[in-house]
Amino acid sequence: DVKVTQSSRYLVKRTGEKVFLECVQDMDHENMFWYRQDPGLGLRLIYFSYDVKMKEKGDIPEGYSVSREKKERFSLILESASTNQTSMYLCASSLSWGEKFFGPGTRLTVL
Amino acid sequence: KNEVEQSPQNLTAQEGEFITINCSYSVGISALHWLQQHPGGGIVSLFMLSSGKKKHGRLIATINIQEKHSSLHITASHPRDSAVYICAVGMLNYGGATNKLIFGTGTLLAVQP
Repeated sequence: DVKVTQSSRYLVKRTGEKVFLECVQDMDHENMFWYRQDPGLGLRLIYFSYDVKMKEKGDIPEGYSVSREKKERFSLILESASTNQTSMYLCASSLSWGEKFFGPGTRLTVL
Repeated sequence: KNEVEQSPQNLTAQEGEFITINCSYSVGISALHWLQQHPGGGIVSLFMLSSGKKKHGRLIATINIQEKHSSLHITASHPRDSAVYICAVGMLNYGGATNKLIFGTGTLLAVQP
């Protein structure tokens, strides 16, 4: 079974803190994605990566950065967390244009 | 207008009922995905289809490319089917298929015993 894991299920941070969310997949997928999910808005793409050290902005990249130093790991970084970044963050991976496999999600609260 | 619309937004059914969730889209797509999300849980991919019909257990997904419409059916529904069902479409651009998915806002299904 493909497994996508995320470093935390729940996270509480303070405004201005630097926040790292990590995602690891074990199926050698070249594509990895970070989404945020908010009520009434559905899932929105923050960034995706199609290879090591390669990244592309999604629909809402402002306030976020990403890092992919190894194929299996894709990190989302909030340089200076703000309250409007309180959300559910979901990581996903896929092979080429295929089926996407999602992690369990990280519910981030910024106080 | 959203590029992916789902209906209904909320659905309550009795155990055993046949359930249909609909998804309409307005863009060119490479494929359509049906996803399931349990409360507090991650998302599971149910189907990815670009034509016709797929079946997995009690779940059936159909797509009509000409009408830009897909349906997810659940036969003999059970309380464990209670979840949010999300439709997502893989976008096409001038270069062909892209990695970008556009998501509907989901259908919250509650199946009562």
